[in-house]
This record gives sequence, C-alpha cells and structure tokens, in this order.
Amino acid sequence: QQKVQQSPESLTVSEGAMASLNCTFSDGTSNNFRWYRQHSAKGLEVLVSIFSDGEKEEGRFTAHLNRANLHVSLHIREPQPSDSAVYLCAGLNTGYQNFYFGKGTSLTVIP
Amino acid sequence: EAAVTQSPRNKVAVTGGKVTLSCNQTNNHNNMYWYRQDTGHGLRLIHYSYGAGSTEKGDIPDGYKASRPSQENFSLILELATPSQTSVYFCASGDVTGCERLFFGHGTKLSVL
Repeated sequence: QQKVQQSPESLTVSEGAMASLNCTFSDGTSNNFRWYRQHSAKGLEVLVSIFSDGEKEEGRFTAHLNRANLHVSLHIREPQPSDSAVYLCAGLNTGYQNFYFGKGTSLTVIP
Repeated sequence: EAAVTQSPRNKVAVTGGKVTLSCNQTNNHNNMYWYRQDTGHGLRLIHYSYGAGSTEKGDIPDGYKASRPSQENFSLILELATPSQTSVYFCASGDVTGCERLFFGHGTKLSVL
C-alpha cells in the first residue's frame, strides 16, 4: 500500500512570500500526482496535476516532480490570505484506480 | 464541471443505529469513491466502485457497506454506527484515463453519539 508523507504539517508565511510544500511517496508505482486544496472541511479543489519529471505550472501554483527521489512539491507564488487552507498531495494507485492522499499541510498566510 | 452532491450535509446518529450517506454525480463518471477524513489521518478510502452494480473494498472497509445501484448514485451504509465512525465523509467521482481528475462533494459531517 502506497504511503504518502507530507511536510511540514503546518506552515505560516507572509503575504507575498513563497510557500513551499513537500510530499514523499513510499514507492515509485505512481506516475500521476495531484495537489488539492481544501478550505475548512469543504470539498477538495484540484490545483495542479503532474505526470512526468520536471515542473508544471498552473497560475501561481507550480508542482515539481522527481520520481527518482519519490518527491513532489508545490510552490505557491505570491500567496494571499485567501490561500490559507489545507493542501493535500495525492498519488494515483493505477491498480485500484484510486488516489492515496497525504495527511495535509495547513497553510496560513498572514497579511 | 462535474457536480457531486452529498446528502445529508450533517448527521447526528445514535450508537447502534443505521446510517445511510448518499452521493449523486451528474457527469457520467464510471468510478465513485467514499473517503473519510480525520485529523492525523488525512483522507482514507473506504469503498469505491467501477460502475453500476460494482463495489470494492478500500483501505478501511470494516463497519461500512456500499451500494451502487446506478451510474449516478453511490451510497455508504453504516449498519450499526459506532462513535469511532464520527468523521467527515467525502464522496468523489472520476474516470480513469491518463489524466484522471477526481471531483469531490462538499462532505458529510457525521457524529455518532
């Protein structure tokens, strides 16, 4: 069973400073990764999907994937207070056609 | 944009009672999923389905049943609810292609007293 470790558990940044979140997977079986954002126990909103090594940018959100290191990261450029939320990374388990999720990073952006 | 609707949004149940959580999706996705979210555990997969009539066990199926009577509807059933099942439950739908996206409902907050 794929395990997903997210770090840090919580992060506080000032508005406009770069925010960086990390995810490490237990094995290299997945080639399909997502970053989701969740505001206050609401539904999840997909931010970035990435399928190959390198980076993928969606607006202010950039994901980096290094499959050899089993690592995927998310960088948020110029974060705003409205970006305060829990961020979840997920990797696809192709065998079961479902995603494994990390426990989340709680991001707070202070004005 | 696919719509995934969960009902009820909030539920209070008594220990030993039966609880049914419902999920409806309007985008004709084959796959549907039930997750629960708890502090310290993140999202954990309970049951999922590949299509009408199919249900599969996820990582934590004990104490839960699932039913997929149609493409649109996927229910999670707690036959004998316990306080340990107090959680927020999320339903999701998606199609498995190279670029699968999961669409999530807004969640059901269940409290078992």
